[in-house]
Amino acid sequence: QKEVEQDPGPLSVPEGAIVSLNCTYSNSAFQYFMWYRQYSRKGPELLMYTYSSGNKEDGRFTAQVDKSSKYISLFIRDSQPSDSATYLCAMSYSSASKIIFGSGTRLSIRP
Amino acid sequence: GAVVSQHPSRVICKSGTSVKIECRSLDFQATTMFWYRQFPKQSLMLMATSNEGSKATYEQGVEKDKFLINHASLTLSTLTVTSAHPEDSSFYICSAMGSGFGSNQPQHFGDGTRLSIL
Repeated sequence: QKEVEQDPGPLSVPEGAIVSLNCTYSNSAFQYFMWYRQYSRKGPELLMYTYSSGNKEDGRFTAQVDKSSKYISLFIRDSQPSDSATYLCAMSYSSASKIIFGSGTRLSIRP
Repeated sequence: GAVVSQHPSRVICKSGTSVKIECRSLDFQATTMFWYRQFPKQSLMLMATSNEGSKATYEQGVEKDKFLINHASLTLSTLTVTSAHPEDSSFYICSAMGSGFGSNQPQHFGDGTRLSIL
């Protein structure tokens, strides 16, 4: 079993829809949870960074962490074609430890 | 803020050539830098962690004599792929984690280097 599981997609939704991306993990020791966006042939760009459980909102993006279920989510409201990219969930044990990435979900927003 | 610059963005060279990739933190001091490798449609796999002024820590299965890492300053780390072969062709990405922004700071990534060995 992988430490971090993420559906690779692809996921295709119409413009304006709410997008829900999810990851599950197996190790309860993870404390820091991140979502990165990666465009083709580019490095990952940090979208959201949360510590422990709870919600965090930044513009159209909301990250949720449910440590009891070992489940994290990223919601994108009012999705735009420019949101089309691969979204990677990631987590780490501490702020200084290595990051474990999910396999990434390819998202396509149809105009 | 937190910009990481990686150079070159694309390298095409013959088998047997050694290739150096640079990773720079432009607006912060990077106490720790990480080197990843990413195959098409796959996630990032950590190759090694380097701390300024000390030897890099390599992940299991990564040849340290093949992938030489130098982190000589707080703003620069280099990865040298020695005697590269076609199987070394991949997308190499660095990330940096800095000091001075307070604790609990995430890694920031460069834009990657696409290496193609003919």
